[in-house]
Amino acid sequence: EAGVVQSPRYKIIEKKQPVAFWCNPISGHNTLYWYRQNLGQGPELLIRYENEEAVDDSQLPKDRFSAERLKGVDSTLKIQPAELGDSAVYLCASSLQGDAQYFGPGTRLTVL
Amino acid sequence: AQTVTQSQPEMSVQEAETVTLSCTYDTSENNYYLFWYKQPPSRQMILVIRQEAYKQQNATENRFSVNFQKAAKSFSLKISDSQLGDTAMYFCAFMMPPNFGNEKLTFGTGTRLTIIP
Repeated sequence: EAGVVQSPRYKIIEKKQPVAFWCNPISGHNTLYWYRQNLGQGPELLIRYENEEAVDDSQLPKDRFSAERLKGVDSTLKIQPAELGDSAVYLCASSLQGDAQYFGPGTRLTVL
Repeated sequence: AQTVTQSQPEMSVQEAETVTLSCTYDTSENNYYLFWYKQPPSRQMILVIRQEAYKQQNATENRFSVNFQKAAKSFSLKISDSQLGDTAMYFCAFMMPPNFGNEKLTFGTGTRLTIIP
């Protein structure tokens, strides 16, 4: 069984530029999560989807971050414009009905 | 709000020895899930073991086992016969069960474990 797939693995951009991350969850998993992990810390939830509905986006900085999960499968997380403080690892995870979460390899974003 | 504390930033142990990683948490809930995740340098967060709070029996997965003390709000991870591949960052995490409307993982700050050959 394929795991959670994320791309790209690495991204380096100049500040004020836009960036997008893509996630394909484990087949059949209806719940999808985006986490941000700052250096030396544990991940923190940005947004949680159940199917195509964002059910918890309370920690998503909505002035510059947006996300979508069309058709309840793949998801895209976007930052526009990026700031220096956005440098982090962005992790996608999925679960079946809110059970144990399985993570993808993450995208390391560097904003210069 | 729930909090998770890992008081050991770094640990090291000789290969084949046993090591125990500590985790404490704070919650007013009675039913919840606890997890240990492993994050090697490749960055992928790998689920090691899970424990449901309503289960009194400690979870085990091969060389990994937990000591779950609900009253003390303690959830330690024991790794037996440690291997070089166990070298990684280990995160303890808390989550409310499904259908409680708060199914996000709350992580500790992690313990960096190094297995010495």
